[in-house]
Parts: sequence; structure tokens; C-alpha cells
Amino acid sequence: TQLLEQSPQFLSIQEGENLTVYCNSSSVFSSLQWYRQEPGEGPVLLVTVVTGGEVKKLKRLTFQFGDARKDSSLHITAAQPGDTGLYLCAGVNEKLTFGTGTRLTIIP
Amino acid sequence: DTEVTQTPKHLVMGMTNKKSLKCEQHMGHRAMYWYKQKAKKPPELMFVYSYEKLSINESVPSRFSPECPNSSLLNLHLHALQPEDSALYLCASSQDWQGGYGYTFGSGTRLTVV
Repeated sequence: TQLLEQSPQFLSIQEGENLTVYCNSSSVFSSLQWYRQEPGEGPVLLVTVVTGGEVKKLKRLTFQFGDARKDSSLHITAAQPGDTGLYLCAGVNEKLTFGTGTRLTIIP
Repeated sequence: DTEVTQTPKHLVMGMTNKKSLKCEQHMGHRAMYWYKQKAKKPPELMFVYSYEKLSINESVPSRFSPECPNSSLLNLHLHALQPEDSALYLCASSQDWQGGYGYTFGSGTRLTVV
């Protein structure tokens, strides 16, 4: 079984602050994806990282894939209320395995 | 068209009912998936179809029966469900079964079994 543990499980911060979410596993993945899910909706793909050590930036979001392709992080700069949601990492091998999730709330 | 469409959006069914969930995509994706998501939990994989053939069944009870009539459609037939089967059922598709380009999810069907 390929487990992906995310931390923290819950995070509530003020608008404008920075935050980092971590995704850790003992398994190696061919790639890793990050999704955001809002209540009553399906997850929406944010990014796919493929190469160990890869860093991708999407506006205020920075994603990093660990050198050993077992872990990843998501850093948000100057968080906004629109960033509120459930953030899910997902490891790709023969199937997609979701992490345990981080529920983020940005307080205006 | 870059969407996965699921119907119905909400479904309430009794434990003796038979119902079906439907999923449709027109992105030319060759892999389609059913996931189950309980409240405050991540989605859990149920079934994978690749090129219209069932390739993964994650030991799902037989009261859930998937069907892939063609490359654009995926159904999930439900029969004799239990209250603990109440959940959000998500359909997804990807370019191929390896999913390396990412999955596109539908909005889900919120199922309540009474």
C-alpha cells in the first residue's frame, strides 16, 4: 500500500500570511500531482511535478518535488480567501493515490 | 470540451433500490475512473477502465457494478446498497491509464442511502 501523509491536516491563517503544506511517503512515485477541492465539487488539478528536485511556480503557489521523488511541498505566498479549500497531493505509479489532505482556511 | 459531466448531482435511494450513476467526457481520454469520497476524507479509488476494459477493481463489493459502454461513457450501477455507502461518488478521466498528465474530475454525485 502506498501511503501519502500530508501535514498539517488543518490550517487556518490570516489573509496575507505565507504557508507550506507537506506531502510525505516512503514510496517512490513516477510523478506527483497537487489538487484543490472545494465543497461539493471534484478535485481540480493544480500541477504535476515529474523530475526529482523539480520546482514549479504558479503565481503565488510554489510546488517542489523531493530529490528522491518520495515527497513534495506546496508553498503559498500572501494567502488570499480564494485559496481556501482542501489541498490533496496524489502520487502516480500504476494508479493515482491521494494523500490524506490538508484543509486550508484563509481568514479575511 | 474539457469537462467531465456526472448525473445526477444528488441521489437518495432505499436499500432495495436499483439506480445508476452516469459519467461522460468528450476529451478523447482513454482512461476513466470511479472514486468514492466520504466526508472529510480523500477520494478512494474504486475502478479503473482503460480503453473501455476494466483494468483495476479495488476489491469493491459486488453491489457496485461498473460499465463502460464506449470511450466517452462510464456508468456505475447500484443495487442493494447499505447506509454506509452514502458518499460523494466522483468520476474522472485521463489521457491514459498512467494518469501522468493529470486527472479531470466531475463534480460528483452525492449519494444518500436510506
